[in-house]
Amino acid sequence: EAGVAQSPRYKIIEKRQSVAFWCNPISGHATLYWYQQILGQGPKLLIQFQNNGVVDDSQLPKDRFSAERLKGVDSTLKIQPAKLEDSAVYLCASSLGHHSPDTQYFGPGTRLTVL
Amino acid sequence: KNEVEQSPQNLTAQEGEFITINCSYSVGISALHWLQQHPGGGIVSLFMLSSGKKKHGRLIATINIQEKHSSLHITASHPRDSAVYICAVSETSGSRLTFGEGTQLTVNP
Repeated sequence: EAGVAQSPRYKIIEKRQSVAFWCNPISGHATLYWYQQILGQGPKLLIQFQNNGVVDDSQLPKDRFSAERLKGVDSTLKIQPAKLEDSAVYLCASSLGHHSPDTQYFGPGTRLTVL
Repeated sequence: KNEVEQSPQNLTAQEGEFITINCSYSVGISALHWLQQHPGGGIVSLFMLSSGKKKHGRLIATINIQEKHSSLHITASHPRDSAVYICAVSETSGSRLTFGEGTQLTVNP
């Protein structure tokens, strides 16, 4: 079974530039999560989708971050414009979503460096 | 104060030692998760438990719901166990995971 795929793996941009990350969850997983993990800290949930609907985006900085999962499968997370403090690993995870609690399966992450 | 606290933050052990990592939480939970993160970012779920004890190979996870405390034990530790171990809880108020800051484990040969 293929795992959660993310791209790119690494990205370096200058502040005020825009960046987008892509995630393809495990086939059949209804729930998709985007996390931000700053160096030395645990992951922080940015947004959770159930199919193509948003379940929780309370910790998403909506002035600069956006995410979509239009067809309920893959998802993109965008930052526009980026700030220095956005440097982090962005993790995508998915789960079956049939019941709670649920085991989440994580992708390899995208390491973003903002200069 | 974080809702999920882990100790120790860093742990260095010699190969073969018995290792314990602790996790305390302050919110109502439906489950507690132990995860392993290797350099490069990939996170693997080790255990999800809501009561008692689970064992997988050399790993054992226990939880005491009344005391809001969980432990992860590694028996006969090996250098390949070197990683960050993260405790996370599924809060009863929703499906969101709240993470601890992780414990960096280094096992020396």
